[in-house]
Amino acid sequence: EAQVTQNPRYLITVTGKKLTVTCSQNMNHEYMSWYRQDPGLGLRQIYYSMNVEVTDKGDVPEGYKVSRKEKRNFPLILESPSPNQTSLYFCASSLLAGVTDEQFFGPGTRLTVL
Amino acid sequence: DQQVKQNSPSLSVQEGRISILNCDYTNSMFDYFLWYKKYPAEGPTFLISISSIKDKNEDGRFTVFLNKSAKHLSLHIVPSQPGDSAVYFCAASEVGNMLTFGGGTRLMVKP
Repeated sequence: EAQVTQNPRYLITVTGKKLTVTCSQNMNHEYMSWYRQDPGLGLRQIYYSMNVEVTDKGDVPEGYKVSRKEKRNFPLILESPSPNQTSLYFCASSLLAGVTDEQFFGPGTRLTVL
Repeated sequence: DQQVKQNSPSLSVQEGRISILNCDYTNSMFDYFLWYKKYPAEGPTFLISISSIKDKNEDGRFTVFLNKSAKHLSLHIVPSQPGDSAVYFCAASEVGNMLTFGGGTRLMVKP
């Protein structure tokens, strides 16, 4: 089944404790991105990747890191999480980088930073 | 300042009636618009899109209208069904750039 998977789905952590949210897609998509969803603000892009080893900042990259060493994986790293990073996170992928290509979203990761 | 706005956080409609979800944008360079639907505990799924060269695109019960002069788009669902109850996000982009999403509208379709 074609899908985007994220792990973990739920995470409660404390300020400053490094964490990684994994994202994997099995559709051989070139483009992957991370969003955060906050009430009233919709989805805001954190980072995106046009292809392997190519990553770029989105709207709200502060406090996040990403890597794209393989085509299928695009982990999101929070080196020192803070409470303002409490949010619902979505990974997405599309076949190509053009935004006219439908983006497929993962199920989301709900992160709480205490 | 949000470039894409959905001014109604929620909308309640009776089953069988029309649902109209609205979206306004400020960036005149946006040339492609999309609607996504999101159920609880799931990621958003693509619903329908429209290019700026068109003013209407239809897919079954879903129609998106674009009014470029007013910088306004709307999603019509006719007839509305209880399974349409979800959060709807509109999104917009310039060529080659990332999507900008609105804040979402929660649609509730009552049986």
